[in-house]
Amino acid sequence: QVQLVESGGGVVQPGRSLRLSCAASGFIFNSYDFHWVRQPPGKGLEWVALISYVGSYEHYADSVKGRFTVSRDNSKNTLYLQVNSLRLEDTAVYYCARDSEMEYWGQGTLVTVSS
Amino acid sequence: QAGLTQPPSVSKGLRQTATLTCTGDSDNVGNQGATWLQQHQGHPPKLLLYRNNHRPSGISERFSASRSGNTASLTITGLQPEDEADYYCSAWDSGLSARVFGGGTKLTVL
Repeated sequence: QVQLVESGGGVVQPGRSLRLSCAASGFIFNSYDFHWVRQPPGKGLEWVALISYVGSYEHYADSVKGRFTVSRDNSKNTLYLQVNSLRLEDTAVYYCARDSEMEYWGQGTLVTVSS
Repeated sequence: QAGLTQPPSVSKGLRQTATLTCTGDSDNVGNQGATWLQQHQGHPPKLLLYRNNHRPSGISERFSASRSGNTASLTITGLQPEDEADYYCSAWDSGLSARVFGGGTKLTVL
């Protein structure tokens, strides 16, 4: 069955960096686009980034453009989100979601930015 | 980035019908149609419907969607206690080259 497992979250100081991962299994990884979506505690969903199935294009939300980078390793069936220059407002659960319609989601990984 | 507009809350009685709305513009809902997601507290979102009214396998036929111009609607018939959740609409915005979400509607089943 389709599985997406995020990892890499944690507590980090403002200005620091993290790399989030999303390990995929149960389907042909390099056939699908992927999204990163985040959800601040008690708030709604916010789209973060999209990467195409072969990594040929990426799109970002304005709020993260220039600070976050999405990438993928199709040989490892893994999606990544490099998050740099973290701000307090980046505190959220970060989800990866498969394909353009976001049919499958992981359980999320919590990033807490705090001094 | 501008988001889609959803009412913050809707309350309906058990076994009644709820209709949730999502308003965007011609670059998103009016162009690409809307995706609808359900999220129960403490759980990841779950896809209910996409491209207006395509239902993934395993999703109840009590959930249906439609679109009129730049407004998409999610209709849930025969409301059950387990339908109490947050509902989000989303669409690809061709003008922004970005995915946009609505703020979510909290559905309460009385």
